[in-house]
Amino acid sequence: AQSVTQLDSQVPVFEEAPVELRCNYSSSVSVYLFWYVQYPNQGLQLLLKYLSGSTLVKGINGFEAEFNKSQTSFHLRKPSVHISDTAEYFCALIYSGTYKYIFGTGTRLKVLA
Amino acid sequence: DAGVIQSPRHEVTEMGQEVTLRCKPISGHDYLFWYRQTMMRGLELLIYFNNNVPIDDSGMPEDRFSAKMPNASFSTLKIQPSEPRDSAVYFCASSPGTYPLEQYFGPGTRLTVT
Repeated sequence: AQSVTQLDSQVPVFEEAPVELRCNYSSSVSVYLFWYVQYPNQGLQLLLKYLSGSTLVKGINGFEAEFNKSQTSFHLRKPSVHISDTAEYFCALIYSGTYKYIFGTGTRLKVLA
Repeated sequence: DAGVIQSPRHEVTEMGQEVTLRCKPISGHDYLFWYRQTMMRGLELLIYFNNNVPIDDSGMPEDRFSAKMPNASFSTLKIQPSEPRDSAVYFCASSPGTYPLEQYFGPGTRLTVT
């Protein structure tokens, strides 16, 4: 069965420091991977996605993620965070041939001044 | 584009009452999804539609839940009768037909059942 694991439920980090949010997945078939962000009291919005090709994917707001097939990971990174990046981040996948997202449990990023 | 519109944004009701949540997807999007978000269970897919037809409702928790999409611009999620454990944030998302689907989420409806 396919699954998404976000090991860190909360990640505190100081402003202007780098951050990495971890995501691992389990699947026996090809998958497409996504990161979504949810700001307080809002719906989710797409940060970036990996479909194929280059394993380094760049998204909005300076975020990037690297797809690592051998480690079945899709970690999200930002070299320097801002207070406004405080939000919950969800890793998700769709496996080939389906239309249903499988979401991770989310990582709450708190950027400290 | 106004994005996905959900109403109401907040709903407080008493146990046993009927609750109807509404969603207007982005014009031209062929897919519509209903999700439920709780602290305990995270984000769960309840049901999704393609061209107004329900495709997969395996995530609907019980017969008390029902969803309809009478036309391309409107969908409802109904809970009858409601129970306190239904308290959650319910999201509607729509997606264009291009695969794989990028979903555009609405702001959600926070439901509290007392």
